[in-house]
Amino acid sequence: DAGVIQSPRHEVTEMGQEVTLRCKPISGHDYLFWYRQTMMRGLELLIYFNNNVPIDDSGMPEDRFSAKMPNASFSTLKIQPSEPRDSAVYFCASSLKGALFTDTQYFGPGTRLTVL
Amino acid sequence: DAKTTQPPSMDCAEGRAANLPCNHSTISGNEYVYWYRQIHSQGPQYIIHGLKNNETNEMASLIITEDRKSSTLILPHATLRDTAVYYCIVRVHGVFKAAGNKLTFGGGTRVLVKP
Repeated sequence: DAGVIQSPRHEVTEMGQEVTLRCKPISGHDYLFWYRQTMMRGLELLIYFNNNVPIDDSGMPEDRFSAKMPNASFSTLKIQPSEPRDSAVYFCASSLKGALFTDTQYFGPGTRLTVL
Repeated sequence: DAKTTQPPSMDCAEGRAANLPCNHSTISGNEYVYWYRQIHSQGPQYIIHGLKNNETNEMASLIITEDRKSSTLILPHATLRDTAVYYCIVRVHGVFKAAGNKLTFGGGTRVLVKP
């Protein structure tokens, strides 16, 4: 398996622009997570989905952030409008509730977002 | 979720064992101890997890005290590629909490393996 795939790997945009980050989870995984990492706040969980349904989005910082999962193999995180303080590395992760009830999360390589 | 406390940094000599401590004194009975690491510019990588018994896999060993209030991750023969930030997390299986309890990975321990 190719692992969790994220695109783009790097994004530079100007304040006020819309930004869309994309994630393809590992095939068969039924959980998908979006995290944000900054030096100041570390790694924070923003939202997660189970079977394409958002379960907890209380980590989403503002209404400018939205996430969707239209099918089991694709999710987006959108920021509209973007602000400089949104600059961070955004990670997507997926996990599977297997027979051993282990829900280890597998992370993608991340998208480094810079908002000027 | 229980909070964890880890030393901010530690050095280790290449080829020696690295022992990474983690305190989780408020851990509840159904919370597992997970360890992840993050090598520079990469996503976090799962290492190992356990509930109360010691665990070992190809990457590391996890020693959990009998009262479960602390644990130690052991990298038996550290290599330069083990240089990373190591995170200790405790949580219930299948339960992820975002803001409010702010499920974060905390500061972790920055491990530097030296030749």
